[in-house]
Amino acid sequence: QKEVEQDPGPLSVPEGAIVSLNCTYSNSAFQYFMWYRQYSRKGPELLMYTYSSGNKEDGRFTAQVDKSSKYISLFIRDSQPSDSATYLCAMTPYGNKLVFGAGTILRVKS
Amino acid sequence: EAGVTQFPSHSVIEKGQTVTLRCDPISGHDNLYWYRRVMGKEIKFLLHFVKESKQDESGMPNNRFLAERTGGTYSTLKVQPAELEDSGVYFCASSPRLADNSDTQYFGPGTRLTVL
Repeated sequence: QKEVEQDPGPLSVPEGAIVSLNCTYSNSAFQYFMWYRQYSRKGPELLMYTYSSGNKEDGRFTAQVDKSSKYISLFIRDSQPSDSATYLCAMTPYGNKLVFGAGTILRVKS
Repeated sequence: EAGVTQFPSHSVIEKGQTVTLRCDPISGHDNLYWYRRVMGKEIKFLLHFVKESKQDESGMPNNRFLAERTGGTYSTLKVQPAELEDSGVYFCASSPRLADNSDTQYFGPGTRLTVL
């Protein structure tokens, strides 16, 4: 069983939609949770970084962590075509070695 | 401020040859990481340097892979001899050293390695 499960998609939505991306994990030692965005032929770019359970908002992005359910989410409001990319969840017990999900391909249609 | 840079961006070699990948981290970042993504799989951790010391090399697949970080600046990852299954994208990341164990890793664009 993988430590981090993430649906690879692709997920296709119309412009302006609210997007929900999710990951589940099995290792209860994970304390730090991240979402990265990766455009084609580029490296992952950090979007959101959260520690422990709760919500964190940054502009159109909201990251949610539910440690009791071992479930994390990223919400994108008012999605734009420029949001089309692969979204990777990543997590770690102590801020070093990251464990990644497979990545979800998101396509926002104009 | 310049980001993490990697060279080359793409390398095509034949099985049995040697390839050396280079990573230049963000200036002043003590932590340097190597990750790899093979076709259809997740990005996987290879190893972690703190300055010039290997902190964790638990992800290195076998002894054909050798990573160095002389002087605690840039790092190289050598694959010798390369095998077909080594094909993939090799990412380097760096982060500053923080006292609270939080760690924002900044990734380079990756080196796409193709072994024929």
